[in-house]
Amino acid sequence: ILNVEQSPQSLHVQEGDSTNFTCSFPSSNFYALHWYRWETAKSPEALFVMTLNGDEKKKGRISATLNTKEGYSYLYIKGSQPEDSATYLCAFPTGTASKLTFGTGTRLQVTL
Amino acid sequence: EPEVTQTPSHQVTQMGQEVILRCVPISNHLYFYWYRQILGQKVEFLVSFYNNEISEKSEIFDDQFSVERPDGSNFTLKIRSTKLEDSAMYFCASRLTLVDSGANVLTFGAGSRLTVL
Repeated sequence: ILNVEQSPQSLHVQEGDSTNFTCSFPSSNFYALHWYRWETAKSPEALFVMTLNGDEKKKGRISATLNTKEGYSYLYIKGSQPEDSATYLCAFPTGTASKLTFGTGTRLQVTL
Repeated sequence: EPEVTQTPSHQVTQMGQEVILRCVPISNHLYFYWYRQILGQKVEFLVSFYNNEISEKSEIFDDQFSVERPDGSNFTLKIRSTKLEDSAMYFCASRLTLVDSGANVLTFGAGSRLTVL
């Protein structure tokens, strides 16, 4: 059974705080790692696909890093805003149709 | 921006009833998926579909479940005789191509919440 874990499960920060959370995954047979952002009542939305060890990707105030040798990825949010409140999911593709195995998600709440 | 649409957004049904959840994937996408999330648990893969047939399915996807693409646009998930434990949010997703597949993101719908009483 493929184990993709995320921590923390939930996080509550003040507006303007920077925050980060972790996704850990099996380091063998690595192909890619996906990050999705899921706001309540909306579609999960792709943030990043990370493929290379040492990769760092950025989208506005959100960035992600990847360490395939030790099997983890970090997602950072700089200067959190209330609109960043969402569940952040990481996912690991496997199988012939590249089905995604998801982590438990980190639920972020940003308050004023 | 193209999107995946799902209907209904919420369905309440009695145990034992049949349910059909509908999805309209992005028009030029070739690969289709159903996932589900039981409240408080991980998002789980159910089934993938390509070229009018199932390409992979999970242990969850037993004989009570079926998928079809009846008219070239809709992609449906049918649960023949619902159980209490089928209560979950069901997500449809699509992908353009399987080439370099692990690096191609899925486009998800907003989900159909199924409540079985």
